[in-house]
Amino acid sequence: SQQGEEDPQALSIQEGENATMNCSYKTSINNLQWYRQNSGRGLVHLILIRSNEREKHSGRLRVTLDTSKKSSSLLITASRAADTASYFCATDEYGNKLVFGAGTILRVKS
Amino acid sequence: DVKVTQSSRYLVKRTGEKVFLECVQDMDHENMFWYRQDPGLGLRLIYFSYDVKMKEKGDIPEGYSVSREKKERFSLILESASTNQTSMYLCASRSWKWGDTYYGYTFGSGTRLTVV
Repeated sequence: SQQGEEDPQALSIQEGENATMNCSYKTSINNLQWYRQNSGRGLVHLILIRSNEREKHSGRLRVTLDTSKKSSSLLITASRAADTASYFCATDEYGNKLVFGAGTILRVKS
Repeated sequence: DVKVTQSSRYLVKRTGEKVFLECVQDMDHENMFWYRQDPGLGLRLIYFSYDVKMKEKGDIPEGYSVSREKKERFSLILESASTNQTSMYLCASRSWKWGDTYYGYTFGSGTRLTVV
């Protein structure tokens, strides 16, 4: 079952601009996580936000979580060409497994 | 750094063959997972394991089985490969601690399997 739904499906921006990706989900969660995937490779864990947290920062990443709306957003500030990748949100449901969305493809043009 | 190693990056197998995909992690993680990734469908969970000798079906277990005889190794088995099992297969592991502690997954680099 696909829990998280990312929006937009694809995003193209200039280097230095900010990139915002959104994720909506359907059920109660323990936490929500964001991952990055470079072309044809495995996923890399970026950040985890617990259900009782509203905002979290890690370097140029800022994640928000609104459990009342069942939504999250990932903001990448001052984007770089190296940020070009697919980004996935994943919800950690009770039962100890992650459920992933279909992802947002981000392209940062230099 | 935690490492999750998948034995093959690319694999080509014939229809009907029995296929083994191997995954090894080196950080004594309790939980291990197998996902497949297809364009437009994201990642779908095939099987997972809470600990050695344990296994649980994910969302799409049909046509697959798994083995976890040792804590560090989680094998995915395609009993009789079919063309609709052509996909990218991703293995992941995670440490699990009781209480209010959650960790992200560490993924392997993936195995791109083509069944012809």
